Amino acid sequence: DTGVSQDPRHKITKRGQNVTFRCDPISEHNRLYWYRQTLGQGPEFLTYFQNEAQLEKSRLLSDRFSAERPKGSFSTLEIQRTEQGDSAMYLCASSLLNRGSGNEKLFFGSGTQLSVL
Amino acid sequence: GESVGLHLPTLSVQEGDNSIINCAYSNSASDYFIWYKQESGKGPQFIIDIRSNMDKRQGQRVTVLLNKTVKHLSLQIAATQPGDSAVYFCAENIGGNTPLVFGKGTRLSVIA
Repeated sequence: DTGVSQDPRHKITKRGQNVTFRCDPISEHNRLYWYRQTLGQGPEFLTYFQNEAQLEKSRLLSDRFSAERPKGSFSTLEIQRTEQGDSAMYLCASSLLNRGSGNEKLFFGSGTQLSVL
Repeated sequence: GESVGLHLPTLSVQEGDNSIINCAYSNSASDYFIWYKQESGKGPQFIIDIRSNMDKRQGQRVTVLLNKTVKHLSLQIAATQPGDSAVYFCAENIGGNTPLVFGKGTRLSVIA
């Protein structure tokens, strides 16, 4: 257990419905990342936050995807009007950015597996 | 080899043997690299990292080698155990505010 929690572990939804996933990072970590992973592929970056600021969101797959981290702690990822192609594992990771070393180890949660029927 | 869709490169090794997993990274500007292990139904788990100013780093039973000339990274696992069976990913970062980029994984199967 890395200390990054994701909820729910599994989500089955019908096409067209909205879904929201939650991530609780390691408490002292200032950065939080969302990745998507499809079967047989490596994780694909979506967006990330430093504290409550969303520093990169151009890689979100479409305008149906949005993420928030309102208080700089937990984060939510929402997908509106889900499509079958959204079916994937959504992974959250957190890190403590160390300005001195520049190293940034990401610690991942177990992910939310989304199935869109 | 390259993975296409569901077909990951697979390495099968006998329990107790050493394993070597290879990765060709894409960006010559990358200066930090991480190996992750991912078991079925779980998120990637950090194994070992290396910065570009090093060419070798050792951990417990694992060694990472970096060859910047040919943009190649390898993970060596000594005395491979059944619990090492998983998919292994290399990831690279060019620093600053850029995200960690993952390569295609390799499935390691340990034969007892």
